[in-house]
Amino acid sequence: DSGVTQTPKHLITATGQRVTLRCSPRSGDLSVYWYQQSLDQGLQFLIQYYNGEERAKGNILERFSAQQFPDLHSELNLSSLELGDSALYFCASSFRGAVKNIQYFGAGTRLSVL
Amino acid sequence: DAKTTQPNSMESNEEEPVHLPCNHSTISGTDYIHWYRQLPSQGPEYVIHGLTSNVNNRMASLAIAEDRKSSTLILHRATLRDAAVYYCILRDRGDNAGNMLTFGGGTRLMVKP
Repeated sequence: DSGVTQTPKHLITATGQRVTLRCSPRSGDLSVYWYQQSLDQGLQFLIQYYNGEERAKGNILERFSAQQFPDLHSELNLSSLELGDSALYFCASSFRGAVKNIQYFGAGTRLSVL
Repeated sequence: DAKTTQPNSMESNEEEPVHLPCNHSTISGTDYIHWYRQLPSQGPEYVIHGLTSNVNNRMASLAIAEDRKSSTLILHRATLRDAAVYYCILRDRGDNAGNMLTFGGGTRLMVKP
């Protein structure tokens, strides 16, 4: 158990809908990362938050947004969903944002867009 | 980030050592070498990392070439539970803008009983 909790585990929805994925980082970790894993693109970094503020952005679509709350949990919002958004979404956390800090990953949320 | 090259797949017998290679010929002096693995139906997990010297921990050993252009992850006795995709990732220690991990294709390790 990595200590990172992601909910829900599975999500099935229809095209055009909006969903929210939730992540609770390990106790004491200030940094949260979101990654997307699809069959054709592999694991790709989406966005990072550190202590409530956006730190880095990757290949995140404009239809996607995220935030980190004062209690350090994070939410990833996906809107106007398309079939191609079906993927595994992983959250990871680390103590700070430094390179030497290990990232601990949650078990992921599997999103199926029908 | 500098690029890494890994074999797509490798096979090993249970209880034998496994050497997983990674080439990173464009590595810079400030790049750390990180290894993560992803077990089936799980999120990635940290294995080990190093800068210049060889490193050991309870999971594995990391052997880094003297010129740092390649490294090898060593599992001393492979078990069935070690069957996973192993990712070799370079991270610039000078990068304070973010600490995202850039995953390549990794090496799928299959362990035979």
